[in-house]
Amino acid sequence: DAGVIQSPRHEVTEMGQEVTLRCKPISGHNSLFWYRQTMMRGLELLIYFNNNVPIDDSGMPEDRFSAKMPNASFSTLKIQPSEPRDSAVYFCASSLVLTSGSSDTQYFGPGTRLTVL
Amino acid sequence: AQSVTQLGSHVSVSEGALVLLRCNYSSSVPPYLFWYVQYPNQGLQLLLKYTSAATLVKGINGFEAEFKKSETSFHLTKPSAHMSDAAEYFCAVKRNYQLIWGAGTKLIIKP
Repeated sequence: DAGVIQSPRHEVTEMGQEVTLRCKPISGHNSLFWYRQTMMRGLELLIYFNNNVPIDDSGMPEDRFSAKMPNASFSTLKIQPSEPRDSAVYFCASSLVLTSGSSDTQYFGPGTRLTVL
Repeated sequence: AQSVTQLGSHVSVSEGALVLLRCNYSSSVPPYLFWYVQYPNQGLQLLLKYTSAATLVKGINGFEAEFKKSETSFHLTKPSAHMSDAAEYFCAVKRNYQLIWGAGTKLIIKP
């Protein structure tokens, strides 16, 4: 199993530019999570998809952030326009959720380290 | 509402010594509890999880954790620390589809 795949691993961009982060979940998983990790705020859940449908996007910081999951094997997180305070490590995780209260394990990708200058 | 508290943002132990990382949770229902490890510049990896099958849970790399309902704790232990255990460790409790995360504890291993 290849695990969760994220690209790019590192992204350096200038303020105002559009950034697109990509994620390929583990085959057969029905749930996908986007997280952001910073020193100040730790791990934050940005958005949760189940069966390709966004279920909870309450963690998305503002309208500059958007996420899509066009099919079961691909998701994107877009920031437009990017700002220096968006600098963080962004993780994608996937799991097989049988019921909302189950003990399913989330499997994390290696992350994308984003630096906005 | 569920929450997780990890005592100590940094824990330092000598190589070969006992590792003890503390995690306390609050939950109104029997919880599912998780420990993840994050090595530098990597994603999070599951160490072990509690699903109510047994109170003592064994994980990878020689780690184990004991669920104590009376203390609302799920502390992580390893009898003998190895240099390769240096990493950040996160405790989490399941709430519906979400994981509620602790702030993390960085484990430092002294030679």
